[in-house]
Amino acid sequence: EAEVAQSPRYKITEKSQAVAFWCDPISGHATLYWYRQILGQGPELLVQFQDESVVDDSQLPKDRFSAERLKGVDSTLKIQPAELGDSAMYLCASSSQFQMDGQYGYTFGSGTRLTVV
Amino acid sequence: AQSVTQLGSHVSVSEGALVLLRCNYSSSVPPYLFWYVQYPNQGLQLLLKYTSAATLVKGINGFEAEFKKSETSFHLTKPSAHMSDAAEYFCAVKGANNLFFGTGTRLTVIP
Repeated sequence: EAEVAQSPRYKITEKSQAVAFWCDPISGHATLYWYRQILGQGPELLVQFQDESVVDDSQLPKDRFSAERLKGVDSTLKIQPAELGDSAMYLCASSSQFQMDGQYGYTFGSGTRLTVV
Repeated sequence: AQSVTQLGSHVSVSEGALVLLRCNYSSSVPPYLFWYVQYPNQGLQLLLKYTSAATLVKGINGFEAEFKKSETSFHLTKPSAHMSDAAEYFCAVKGANNLFFGTGTRLTVIP
């Protein structure tokens, strides 16, 4: 079964350092999402890509967060500088247009657990 | 705007007992609703979805949910809890282009 790949699985970084997460969606999925899930809460959308274009980044803290999907395939989410409050699970998901039109939702990766110390 | 509210952040049941996890939705259009399960340090796995066909939806692992428009609810149930059901469960509603999630319910199964 096709999967959304994310790396690293776990990351510990010091406050004020830079950190990056990588996501490889299911092959052929045009839409890619980055969600942040703070412990004890539900996932919240940070950014959504359609191919290489940003569809929605209204909740992305742009002073420190950036995301790119240069070739419309894999994606990188970066935080610089990291703050203590950024400790969370960062989840990537992808979907095809067929999935969203058919209301099938989307497929999540296993996430990256970030701890900022 | 679409949103979901999950009632009860923690639910405990005995092994073999009925599982009931509550979700109410708010939507200005006919909603498309989902339940996801998350095991510790894992991503979210789709349990089931409501896409305006049958109001009683069956999912994986013996779970099912019933869409009730009059109550704006989409509660998740399972007749008999297993230890392996212990996890966090999220209800979600489809917005224009993405999903909006509830705050989750942690299910504990007591042996």
